[in-house]
Amino acid sequence: NAGVMQNPRHLVRRRGQEARLRCSPMKGHSHVYWYRQLPEEGLKFMVYLQKENIIDESGMPKERFSAEFPKEGPSILRIQQVVRGDSAAYFCASSPRVWAGSYNEQFFGPGTRLTVL
Amino acid sequence: KNEVEQSPQNLTAQEGEFITINCSYSVGISALHWLQQHPGGGIVSLFMLSSGKKKHGRLIATINIQEKHSSLHITASHPRDSAVYICAASQGAQKLVFGQGTRLTINP
Repeated sequence: NAGVMQNPRHLVRRRGQEARLRCSPMKGHSHVYWYRQLPEEGLKFMVYLQKENIIDESGMPKERFSAEFPKEGPSILRIQQVVRGDSAAYFCASSPRVWAGSYNEQFFGPGTRLTVL
Repeated sequence: KNEVEQSPQNLTAQEGEFITINCSYSVGISALHWLQQHPGGGIVSLFMLSSGKKKHGRLIATINIQEKHSSLHITASHPRDSAVYICAASQGAQKLVFGQGTRLTINP
């Protein structure tokens, strides 16, 4: 059973370009989380998605950032018109179906290192 | 003040020493995670616990719900244990709130 997969592992973009980060959850997992780790800072929650639904996007910047998790295919984190401050490691995690009143362990992908020139 | 605080921020020890990393949280949680992050590498979940104590090999994690405190212990530390250890609390809609991490260096 393959783990959480993210691609690309490294992404270089120039200011103003678009960045698309992909996350394929573990088989059987229907919940995806995106986290960002800025240089020399801790991890911060961005968004939590289920298939075709955004459940919690309270950590997403209001502009230029969007996320989706379609019925088929990977989850996508999209950053439009990137700026140097977007340079960071972006981690995706997945968990299986969540039952009310419980918590399911999250499994992390290897991350995508985004560098904005 | 962060919702999840770790101490120490940096820890250097000699091989074989007993290691303790502490985590305090100020929010209600459903579970507490300990994660390991190697330089340039991904993140591995070590423990998820909501009460008591868990042990895996040389690693032990404990949590005191009343005091809102958790500890990660490493017995017989080894240079390969060198990594950043991160405490994270789950709350609300399952999202994680992270501590700032403890950078552990074990010297041979």
